[in-house]
Amino acid sequence: EIVMTQSPATLSVSPGERATLSCRASQSVSSNLAWYQQKPGQAPRLLIYGASTRATGIPARFSGSGSGTEFTLTISSLQSEDFAVYYCQQYNNWPITFGQGTRLEIK
Amino acid sequence: EVQLVESGGGLIQPGGSLRLSCAASGFTVSSNYMSWVRQAPGKGLEWVSVIYSGGSTYYADSVKGRFTISRDNSKNTLYLQMNSLRAEDTAVYYCARGPGLVLYAGDWGQGTLVTVSS
Repeated sequence: EIVMTQSPATLSVSPGERATLSCRASQSVSSNLAWYQQKPGQAPRLLIYGASTRATGIPARFSGSGSGTEFTLTISSLQSEDFAVYYCQQYNNWPITFGQGTRLEIK
Repeated sequence: EVQLVESGGGLIQPGGSLRLSCAASGFTVSSNYMSWVRQAPGKGLEWVSVIYSGGSTYYADSVKGRFTISRDNSKNTLYLQMNSLRAEDTAVYYCARGPGLVLYAGDWGQGTLVTVSS
């Protein structure tokens, strides 16, 4: 099973600033990496797939990069609605696995 | 408009069985990879099972041999039959799809809560 490790567990950032979230895979997942945002009481929302392709309707301030084992989600200028939990997910190998999540909180 | 509506959750005793349903609209279930993903209270996401358009199925080790994913093409509905339920199966269960033949999830249902407790 591929283990996905996200860092940091919690990230405190001020509105308008940049946030950088990391995700590391225990073995290569090529570019088969997705990012999700989840707010309390809601289903996850797909942000990025293919490591760097924004899903439909996702604002341009969200960007993804990386391949192999190291991936990054960057939010260029945080808006109030961006404070949430973010998960990475690899879909290169079964079982599909998620990272443990990064909580993005207001500083 | 794509919609996924789960039902069938509830309180069940350990060792019991439950069947979850996911009624889909706006697309054809049999033309997509359809999945169940769960989230234990206060915890992260776990991909439980997937059924491919061709009918192949895959399961997380934690549910293999106890859960069965299936679909009814005539009803455009996805199912998850859960047997031998354990306390650690307590979670919100989400139905999800790509769209298409992909294993990430762009569309999610609202989730249904399964609580396994005596």
